[in-house]
Amino acid sequence: DAGVTQSPTHLIKTRGQQVTLRCSPKSGHDTVSWYQQALGQGPQFIFQYYEEEERQRGNFPDRFSGHQFPNYSSELNVNALLLGDSALYLCASSSGGDYGYTFGSGTRLTVV
Amino acid sequence: RKEVEQDPGPFNVPEGATVAFNCTYSNSASQSFFWYRQDCRKEPKLLMSVYSSGNEDGRFTAQLNRASQYISLLIRDSKLSDSATYLCVLRNYGQNFVFGPGTRLSVLP
Repeated sequence: DAGVTQSPTHLIKTRGQQVTLRCSPKSGHDTVSWYQQALGQGPQFIFQYYEEEERQRGNFPDRFSGHQFPNYSSELNVNALLLGDSALYLCASSSGGDYGYTFGSGTRLTVV
Repeated sequence: RKEVEQDPGPFNVPEGATVAFNCTYSNSASQSFFWYRQDCRKEPKLLMSVYSSGNEDGRFTAQLNRASQYISLLIRDSKLSDSATYLCVLRNYGQNFVFGPGTRLSVLP
């Protein structure tokens, strides 16, 4: 039973560029949430997708957008990258209820 | 005030010691509570859920005090492998999970 898979694992981009990160949820999970974790901090909620729609959004600018596909996989897009966007981007899947998330191993994005 | 607060540590303890972490939260409507463990440069992993009556999983005991709005995690007989960052996490009904900044634990030989 595959857990949450994210790709790529590492990425280096230049300021101003755009990036797309991908996530496949754990089998049986239909909800995908994205988090940004800067060094030394806890994960910060970006947004959550359910039934192919953005259900909730955290305090992130419109440069951050996403999508969920019919197979529940998801993408996170970041436009006009800033140095401050350098972080570990975590995808977490769940299936409703009050159970904990299952996280992917993350994509480490470095903006130079 | 941040929604979830934790002492960042680090807590440096010898093997075999008992160590406790606390976490406070500001939203009294928070419904669910968890402790996650995160190893260096890895993803967070669920350690245990926290129930109002308190719960135990081996050497780990979690407590919830709704009146004072804090959660605790007690680790007994610390092992070197317990070295990690421990994240306090809460969820408000129907909402996303909110993470604290984490408490770093180093268990020393």
